Formats: sequence, structure tokens, C-alpha cells
Amino acid sequence: DTGVSQDPRHKITKRGQNVTFRCDPISEHNRLYWYRQTLGQGPEFLTYFQNEAQLEKSRLLSDRFSAERPKGSFSTLEIQRTEQGDSAMYLCASSADSSNSPLHFGNGTRLTVT
Amino acid sequence: AQTVTQSQPEMSVQEAETVTLSCTYDTSESDYYLFWYKQPPSRQMILVIRQEAYKQQNATENRFSVNFQKAAKSFSLKISDSQLGDAAMYFCAYISGNTPLVFGKGTRLSVIA
Repeated sequence: DTGVSQDPRHKITKRGQNVTFRCDPISEHNRLYWYRQTLGQGPEFLTYFQNEAQLEKSRLLSDRFSAERPKGSFSTLEIQRTEQGDSAMYLCASSADSSNSPLHFGNGTRLTVT
Repeated sequence: AQTVTQSQPEMSVQEAETVTLSCTYDTSESDYYLFWYKQPPSRQMILVIRQEAYKQQNATENRFSVNFQKAAKSFSLKISDSQLGDAAMYFCAYISGNTPLVFGKGTRLSVIA
């Protein structure tokens, strides 16, 4: 068990560019979550998958954001036409297939939009 | 909507002493779970302790224990014998049914040597 891994760790991009982040969950976990965390705040829910199905999306997830988990394994989060307000830490987490299973988090991808 | 409130943005404790971090939540559900997560400066979130709402007994994990008051919707974390490595952001979190995990804004804990 290597834990949840996220790539890249850091991303600096210019406003208007598209970025894509990757998350590899713990292999036996069916659920995968994306959260966004800004400085001094708790993580805010963006979306989650059960296997390959995207079950819920937050209103924070504007139409510039899209997430996929094509084969129920790794997931990608893409942000199109980035804005300075998108600068944040993007956290991925996975859990077993039960609502009370604790989430295991990755180290996150820190996005800076200049 | 479920909300989680942590009223202490920052706390400090002397090494080897005990500190209590507060958390309240708002829900109309009767069956839910509560968690405390720790986020050290390296930023990876780590589970500290969890509590099932249907259990009256307070959860304990080594130096970490909770005081779960269901009627008051309160879920505080007590850290005994504080160590320098306990310094971190601590987040209280709630989950129920198929709703995603909801976090409070966190409490920054400093440990003074």
C-alpha cells in the first residue's frame, strides 16, 4: 500500500491556461474524492466517484472544471481557462466503499495561477 | 446543510500538558460519523480519531480522546501529554449517509517546548 499519490506536487500556470492534475488512489478503494483547500481554510468538497461513476459535484465546480475516473482507478481533474481565484491546494482522497470509512489523503497539488 | 464549526482558530499548549480543541456541528441526521484529522506543515491530512454517533462511549486512540456530546452536537478533541510533533492544523469533520465529508475551518495548534 503506497497510499494516495498526486501529480504534480506544484503547478504554476498563467491565467487562461488549462491544467490537469492526476490522482492515484489506494488500489482497493472504490471511492475517490477531490477537495480544494485555500490558505487558512478547511478542505472544500469538489466531487467524488464511486468506481468510474461521478456521483456528486459541488456548486464550487464551475463548468471550467471537469473530473474523470475512466476505469475506476486513477482520476484526473482538469481546470480550463484558469483564473487567479483557482490558486489553491487540490487534495485527492480515497476510501473504501462505506460511508463511515475514513478518507486517506494524498499530499495535494498546489496550483498557482499568475 | 450540515455544517461544522471550529471556534478556535489558534491554540497553544506547553509540551507534556493537555489541550482540548472544540468542534460543534449542525445536522438533522441521527446516524453519522465524526472525525478529527491532523494536517502537519507537510500538508498531508492524517486521520487522528473517529466516532460513530450511535456509540455512547467516547473514542480513544493513545494520547487522543474525544468528548462526544450528541445532544449538544459537540465533538471536542483532547490531546494529553502534548508533544512537539502534535503541532499542526486540526480539522473536525462530519459525514452522514452518502454525503461527502464536511470539514470545519481548522484549529492551528502550537506546542511550546
